[in-house]
Amino acid sequence: QVQLVQSGAEVKKPGASVRLSCKASGYTFTSHFMHWVRQAPGQGLEWMGVINPSGDATSYAQSFQGRVTVTRDSSTSTLYMELTSLTSEDTAVYYCAREPTPARKNFDFWGQGTLVTVSS
Amino acid sequence: QSALTQPASVSGSPGQSITISCTGTTSDVGGYNYVSWYQQHPGKAPKLMIYDVSDRPSGISNRFSGSKSGNTASLTISGLQAEDEADYYCSSYTSSSTLSYVFGTGTKVTVL
Repeated sequence: QVQLVQSGAEVKKPGASVRLSCKASGYTFTSHFMHWVRQAPGQGLEWMGVINPSGDATSYAQSFQGRVTVTRDSSTSTLYMELTSLTSEDTAVYYCAREPTPARKNFDFWGQGTLVTVSS
Repeated sequence: QSALTQPASVSGSPGQSITISCTGTTSDVGGYNYVSWYQQHPGKAPKLMIYDVSDRPSGISNRFSGSKSGNTASLTISGLQAEDEADYYCSSYTSSSTLSYVFGTGTKVTVL
């Protein structure tokens, strides 16, 4: 069965960076686009970025440009997301999500989420 | 690029039908048949309920149905059940220069 297991909660100070991971299993990791979506406390979902199956192309929401980097390691079937220059507004639950294949423009499986708290 | 517009809340009694709207623009909802809907219970990850406007993933009840007219997509839940109480989000692929996907503002469904 498809599983996306994310790394544990993080507490960071303003100005720091955070790197989250998402380990995939139960399917061919290298066949699917992978996305990151975040949700601030009590707020809606916000798309952050996507990486292609081979890992050589990414696209990011303009609101995160320059601060976010999404990578993937096919040898370990793991997706990563690094976010820099953190502020309190980056406090949120971050989700990884799989896009069905062939590219179907939706998110059919989600990780359990990782809470990132930014506080001095 | 603003979020797609959804009503903040919708309620209904068990057995009734409710409809949630999702309004966008010609750059997203109106321009592509890539509208999807997600159900999110408190503290849980979102779950795909509808994709490509009206298709249901395997295992999703046929009480959930989707449609689209112009720039507005809709999710209908028929035969409302207690377990349907959750937040619902629409999403669409977008040709915006600032992002590739946009979500709706979210709708809280309450079963009375």
